[in-house]
Amino acid sequence: ETGVTQSPTHLIKTRGQQVTLRCSSQSGHNTVSWYQQALGQGPQFIFQYYREEENGRGNFPPRFSGLQFPNYSSELNVNALELDDSALYLCASTWDRGGGGYTFGSGTRLTVV
Amino acid sequence: DQQVKQNSPSLSVQEGRISILNCDYTNSMFDYFLWYKKYPAEGPTFLISISSIKDKNEDGRFTVFLNKSAKHLSLHIVPSQPGDSAVYFCAASGSGGTSYGKLTFGQGTILTVHP
Repeated sequence: ETGVTQSPTHLIKTRGQQVTLRCSSQSGHNTVSWYQQALGQGPQFIFQYYREEENGRGNFPPRFSGLQFPNYSSELNVNALELDDSALYLCASTWDRGGGGYTFGSGTRLTVV
Repeated sequence: DQQVKQNSPSLSVQEGRISILNCDYTNSMFDYFLWYKKYPAEGPTFLISISSIKDKNEDGRFTVFLNKSAKHLSLHIVPSQPGDSAVYFCAASGSGGTSYGKLTFGQGTILTVHP
């Protein structure tokens, strides 16, 4: 097992730009979820991918999109960045949608200026 | 609306004593509950979980209690150790359809255990 790794660890972007965050899931995990954690809050569910298809979405606009690849890596894309998108973005993976037993990465800290 | 609430932003406890962290939920469709611990600059780490068919689950120093009628759960840490100092998140998920595996988190409680 190699755990969940996310890149980059920190990122600064300008309002209106686009950003891609990357996640490498734990080996064998076919389910990945992305969460946004604002300062002082708990993580908020963005969406989940299961076997490369979106399998549930939280209350986030369409400019938040994702991809999952056959090698268990995944991406979170955010278009037209807004100041409020500044947050810690967490990737979590599990096997067969897990029902909760997710392994989290350390996150990407995105700052929008 | 906040479906999972941790009403205590922080808790301070002496080493060796019991830490009790509380969590309330409003969505009756939740049937699986988890506690995660988070250190700065790290992702949340799974601690312990409980299914709605149980009212207690123990794992070493950690015990989770679930009161379904009150929609309340608590995490007990006995004895507390300085290394337990972290942010603790309560999370819940439902089963079936696209809610399966989606975790709804509380705001977190900062636990500080003093030597």
